Amino acid sequence: AQKVTQAQTEISVVEKEDVTLDCVYETRDTTYYLFWYKQPPSGELVFLIRRNSFDEQNEISGRYSWNFQKSTSSFNFTITASQVVDSAVYFCALSEAGNRDDKIIFGKGTRLHILP
Amino acid sequence: EPEVTQTPSHQVTQMGQEVILRCVPISNHLYFYWYRQILGQKVEFLVSFYNNEISEKSEIFDDQFSVERPDGSNFTLKIRSTKLEDSAMYFCASSGRDSGANVLTFGAGSRLTVL
Repeated sequence: AQKVTQAQTEISVVEKEDVTLDCVYETRDTTYYLFWYKQPPSGELVFLIRRNSFDEQNEISGRYSWNFQKSTSSFNFTITASQVVDSAVYFCALSEAGNRDDKIIFGKGTRLHILP
Repeated sequence: EPEVTQTPSHQVTQMGQEVILRCVPISNHLYFYWYRQILGQKVEFLVSFYNNEISEKSEIFDDQFSVERPDGSNFTLKIRSTKLEDSAMYFCASSGRDSGANVLTFGAGSRLTVL
């Protein structure tokens, strides 16, 4: 069975600080995909990144970076020099290649407050 | 950029009434999904749909729920007799698995309020 745990329910940081959102996953599949989605106050789900289980290379996109470590089943997300516009709920998610479709299972989310 | 369109954006209904939420997936996608998010909580999988039939459904998706693709473009979620606990944001999503995309594109959501 697949499971995603985001232990941090809510985080508040002051603008320009760096912040890391933790994500730990469980799966029995050897091939799987990990995702991060952002849900701003407007409510939509915005896709940020997908990672497959064979690619452990860390990724950087502007102020965003992701650290995938299979040894600890973690896929953490760091925002560098945070901005108020980064305030949102961030969901980590998992999809198993053995699924008949692309269904993803979400973690409970981390609500991030960036304080001016 | 192609997008998933959902209507209505917000619906208020009385308990016991039937509700139909509509979605227009991305045109060349083959897999369709409904998710639910009760206010302040996680996004939960309801059902996936492929080739005109349900591919998988969760425990939440009981006999009160049904899905349909009535024509070549729409994908609907029907709640037969709404309950107070059905109040939530409902997200439609689609993916084109056969094209190797494996990324769900979500609509903006339909907020359902049951009174």
